[in-house]
Amino acid sequence: AQTVTQSQPEMSVQEAETVTLSCTYDTSESDYYLFWYKQPPSRQMILVIRQEAYKQQNATENRFSVNFQKAAKSFSLKISDSQLGDAAMYFCAYRAWSGSRLTFGEGTQLTVNP
Amino acid sequence: GAGVSQTPSNKVTEKGKYVELRCDPISGHTALYWYRQSLGQGPEFLIYFQGTGAADDSGLPNDRFFAVRPEGSVSTLKIQRTERGDSAVYLCASSLGAGGNSPLHFGNGTRLTVT
Repeated sequence: AQTVTQSQPEMSVQEAETVTLSCTYDTSESDYYLFWYKQPPSRQMILVIRQEAYKQQNATENRFSVNFQKAAKSFSLKISDSQLGDAAMYFCAYRAWSGSRLTFGEGTQLTVNP
Repeated sequence: GAGVSQTPSNKVTEKGKYVELRCDPISGHTALYWYRQSLGQGPEFLIYFQGTGAADDSGLPNDRFFAVRPEGSVSTLKIQRTERGDSAVYLCASSLGAGGNSPLHFGNGTRLTVT
């Protein structure tokens, strides 16, 4: 079974600075998807960024980028120029290539200090 | 366009009671998922529908939990004989297809509190 681990329950960053959130996962599959979701107090899970495992190039979405290390099964999220609106719970998630369910990590609570 | 809608937003019930949680997916989305999120945890998969049928219900914790999607659109998660341990946020998501490439769109969840 696939597992996703986020070892940082809480992180904080100063506004305009950069922060990196860590995620590791375990799978025997060679093709799969990895995601970072943001969950503000509204509870809605919002997709931040997605990475296909077959792609060597790291995904980027504006201020958000990932460092995908397939051999190490590591998938970290970097947030540049942090904004107050980035404060939320962040979840790393895994999805099999043909699979349906998402498997989530435990989450990292990000605080952005003004 | 409208997103995934979940009702009620909050539900308080007494131990032993029966509850129903409703999910209205995005129109045209054939896949629908239910997740349970306990306090301070990541969401845990419960069940996935493709159309009207439950394609994977392996995440349902026991036979007190049941879900239906009779017309392939709205889904209802039903919990019988509720227990205090059932208290959690229940999230619903839908996607256009079921493949890994089809992104999930989540609702705001229903917070269930069993007293």
